[in-house]
Amino acid sequence: EAGVAQSPRYKIIEKRQSVAFWCNPISGHATLYWYQQILGQGPKLLIQFQNNGVVDDSQLPKDRFSAERLKGVDSTLKIQPAKLEDSAVYLCASSFWSGANVLTFGAGSRLTVL
Amino acid sequence: GIQVEQSPPDLILQEGANSTLRCNFSDSVNNLQWFHQNPWGQLINLFYIPSGTKQNGRLSATTVATERYSLLYISSSQTTDSGVYFCAVEDPSGGYQKVTFGTGTKLQVIP
Repeated sequence: EAGVAQSPRYKIIEKRQSVAFWCNPISGHATLYWYQQILGQGPKLLIQFQNNGVVDDSQLPKDRFSAERLKGVDSTLKIQPAKLEDSAVYLCASSFWSGANVLTFGAGSRLTVL
Repeated sequence: GIQVEQSPPDLILQEGANSTLRCNFSDSVNNLQWFHQNPWGQLINLFYIPSGTKQNGRLSATTVATERYSLLYISSSQTTDSGVYFCAVEDPSGGYQKVTFGTGTKLQVIP
């Protein structure tokens, strides 16, 4: 089966600019997660979707971050305006909603804010 | 929310040595997973282990849910084992299938 696809792999922007990341989960996976991983730390959950509905966005900085998952398939995560502290790897994961909730991750999108 | 602590934070091994990584969590969990993040940043799922013991080649894992910890054993380590190992728990009180990651153990295996 195809894995979780993410793009772009790398992005460099100036502070106050905007950026968008895209994720296409494994076919049939109803649950989609966006994590932020700052260098040297573990991944931190930003937002979780079940199909196209948000089930947890408690750690999403909603003044600058937004995410959507139209039609319950692929998802976009947007940052506007970006701050220096947003420099991180943004990881997308998906899982099949049934029984064992095994997460499969994409390769990640590395953001550098200058 | 649930706290997940891993130890040791850093580990350097000679190739061929064995090691044990520990994951402690502060409350009851639905399940626990172990991941390996390779030097290129890719997270690979090693084990889904809510309780008991599983083995996969040179790796094995044990979770004692009642005592709130899990162990990952690496035997006969190889340089390809280098990277960061994370445990992640599903918090039953944190929302629908919310998965929280630990602090990680950075492993370096030297030839």
